[in-house]
Formats: sequence, C-alpha cells, structure tokens
Amino acid sequence: DARVTQTPRHKVTEMGQEVTMRCQPILGHNTVFWYRQTMMQGLELLAYFRNRAPLDDSGMPKDRFSAEMPDATLATLKIQPSEPRDSAVYFCASGLGSYEQYFGPGTRLTVT
Amino acid sequence: LAKTTQPISMDSYEGQEVNITCSHNNIATNDYITWYQQFPSQGPRFIIQGYKTKVTNEVASLFIPADRKSSTLSLPRVSLSDTAVYYCLVGDLFQTGANNLFFGTGTRLTVIP
Repeated sequence: DARVTQTPRHKVTEMGQEVTMRCQPILGHNTVFWYRQTMMQGLELLAYFRNRAPLDDSGMPKDRFSAEMPDATLATLKIQPSEPRDSAVYFCASGLGSYEQYFGPGTRLTVT
Repeated sequence: LAKTTQPISMDSYEGQEVNITCSHNNIATNDYITWYQQFPSQGPRFIIQGYKTKVTNEVASLFIPADRKSSTLSLPRVSLSDTAVYYCLVGDLFQTGANNLFFGTGTRLTVIP
C-alpha cells in the first residue's frame, strides 16, 4: 500500500531557527503539493509541483518559505527564519494531476 | 476556483444514510467536484470525484444536478468510524492556481451510536 511519507512528524523550534520538512511522494506520482492547516485558517495550499517543476507558490509567504524538489523522490519545504505564526500542521500530498491527491501524515510544527 | 458552501456540522445515527450537500454557484465549465475526508491528526483522504450526473464507488456516491451548482455526497449506512470532517472542492487547480484553492471549513459529521 503506497503512501506519502513525511519527516519529521513533530518539530518544536525557537523563533528565528530554520525548519526543513521533507516529503517522499508516492512513486510514479507527477504532482506534489504542500499544505498548511491551522484552526483559524483551515487547509491552505502553499505550493505545488508537476514533474518536479514548481507550478505555483502564490499561496506561500515568499520572504521566508521555500519549496523544492531536488529529485522525484523528495520534496522539501523550508522556513527561514521561523516565526510563532508558522505553527501549524504541514501536509504534503502527491497525485497524478490535481484532483485525486494522496496526503501524508503531516508535520506538526511548533515555533516558540 | 469556485467558492463552496457546506453545512458546518451534521449528526447521524449509525446505520443511516448521510447526505452532505455542497453549493458552488460559480462553478466553471472545466471544474470537477472532489470530496475529501479528514480524521483528527491525519491528512485528508480522497473519497470521490465527479463532473456531472452520478458517480459511485465502494465508499460513497456523488450526485450532481444538471446545472452543477451543487453536489451531494452520499454515505450509505454510516458507522462510528465515518465520524470525520468532509470537504468539498471545486475547480481545476492548474487553471486557477494555489491562491484560489479553498478547502473551506468542511462539514463535521458525527455518527452517534
């Protein structure tokens, strides 16, 4: 049963520190998505890739967030410097196209 | 991406059929309708997708009227394990971009024994 994996599952860090979250999409999927979920804002799409190329990152704060896909088996989301308002659960999803997406378990980030 | 409107919450007894309706008055010609389910502390899970009329899979049915301005997710004979938040998404991500993708607040379904 193929699944999206994410590491770390939990991360606690201090304000100003760099945070890197990793995602391994399902083998063969050509689209990868990064989402953020908070109680106040719900699920927000931050960025997505198709065939490893970034298609849209307009949902992402550009000054501190960056998303990359160094290869087909790894997607990264980096926050530098982190701020308390970045505390959220970050989900990675992969799929074949934009409609049917398979989500990972998420990374719960707490910035103090 | 068409904004969607769903009920905030619903309660149902075990064994009953549950219908959750989503309104999407501004749906575009190329938009598909997709439903996701999310359990606490997990990522959303794809349930079903459709464009028009009716779609059925092993988990649910999706009913879409001719004008496509709404859709209804039907869960047959719910069990306690169906307690979750259900999201309706409408659109074509690659046409509208990340800034227009809204999962919305979803519908929190509680199944009662």
